[in-house]
Amino acid sequence: EIVLTQSPATLSLSPGERATLSCRASQSVSSYLAWYQQKPGQAPRLLIYDASNRATGIPARFSGSGSGTDFTLTISSLEPEDFAVYYCQQRSNWPRLYTFGQGTKLEIK
Amino acid sequence: QVQLQQWGAGLLKPSETLSLTCAVYGGSFSDYYWSWIRQPPGKGLEWIGEINHSGSTNDNPSLKSRVTIAVDTSKNQFSLKLSSVTAADTAVYFCARGGVLSHYYGMDVWGQGTTVTVSS
Repeated sequence: EIVLTQSPATLSLSPGERATLSCRASQSVSSYLAWYQQKPGQAPRLLIYDASNRATGIPARFSGSGSGTDFTLTISSLEPEDFAVYYCQQRSNWPRLYTFGQGTKLEIK
Repeated sequence: QVQLQQWGAGLLKPSETLSLTCAVYGGSFSDYYWSWIRQPPGKGLEWIGEINHSGSTNDNPSLKSRVTIAVDTSKNQFSLKLSSVTAADTAVYFCARGGVLSHYYGMDVWGQGTTVTVSS
């Protein structure tokens, strides 16, 4: 089973700053790497799929990059509504399984 | 606009069977995989399993075959049963739309979540 490790666990930044969130896989993953945002009491929201493609309706300040075992979610200039928990997720092909990282909490400094 | 609406019992006793259903409104039911995910209080997300319209399933081995996922294509619904529940199964359970059959575009539509508590 592929394990995803996210860092940092908590990131404290101010609105307007740039956020860089990391997701590292225990072995090379396919391009099936996604990022989600979750706010308290809500379901997760898909931000990025295929490591670097923004989902429908996601603002351009969100971008994803990476391949192999190292992936990054970047938020270019934080808006107040961006403070939330972020998860990466991968889908392996054989066996067909999905795993999530443990999450990064992005909090207001 | 695709919407998922889920329901099921919210309070169970240890050893009982959890049962949840998710209805899909709008969009194509047959083109996608449909997943169940859970989130224990204050913790992260755990994928439980998925199913497609033909009934083909995949599930998380960590749940040790306690999982049964079924589909009712006549109603565009899919369901989750988790047997022999314990307090460790207390969580918010979500249903979600997964990728199309040929590619994974992420889980882009989610149900509202159902809080399930296991307590004697």
